[in-house]
Amino acid sequence: QKEVEQNSGPLSVPEGAIASLNCTYSDRVSQSFFWYRQYSGKSPELIMSIYSNGDKEDGRFTAQLNKASQYVSLLIRDSQPSDSATYLCAVRRSNDYKLSFGAGTTVTVRA
Amino acid sequence: SQTIHQWPATLVQPVGSPLSLECTVEGTSNPNLYWYRQAAGRGLQLLFYSVGIGQISSEVPQNLSASRPQDRQFILSSKKLLLSDSGFYLCAWGEGTGRWNEKLFFGSGTQLSVL
Repeated sequence: QKEVEQNSGPLSVPEGAIASLNCTYSDRVSQSFFWYRQYSGKSPELIMSIYSNGDKEDGRFTAQLNKASQYVSLLIRDSQPSDSATYLCAVRRSNDYKLSFGAGTTVTVRA
Repeated sequence: SQTIHQWPATLVQPVGSPLSLECTVEGTSNPNLYWYRQAAGRGLQLLFYSVGIGQISSEVPQNLSASRPQDRQFILSSKKLLLSDSGFYLCAWGEGTGRWNEKLFFGSGTQLSVL
């Protein structure tokens, strides 16, 4: 079982719609959760971090965490063509330096 | 503000040749430093991390090694490259008040092709 799993996509959404990305993790003692955006050929860019159950909003992005169900999600509201990228979910176990990444979900926002 | 420099951006090397990738961080002291590799279509794989000068932890046994000769310098090396070493190599530094909330910020990466 992979430590962090994401649907590879591609997820295609029309401009202005909500893109919903999901991520599940295997280790119950995971403590820290992150979403990165990666444009093709570029390095990952941190867009959200979340540490406790519930929702966290930052601009058009909302991260949702449910530790009991071991999933974390990212919502992108009012999707723009510039949001077209691969989104990586990353999880850190309690008291660990290692940040484990999923393979990413590719999002395409069509105009 | 903190910045991370990584070079070269692209590298094409023959099988069996040596490798040296360098990463430096500015604007912070005693950062945690990381080397990740991303194979095509796959997630990032942690290779090495360092919490201080001369302190290197290896996550995956392979023909790569890392060194931290200075506080803000992290080097990835190999004596003989394999075809399987091809990938996108990323250096990162960590920012946080504790291990649990540390956020990683990545350099621009090196695309390595071993032929």
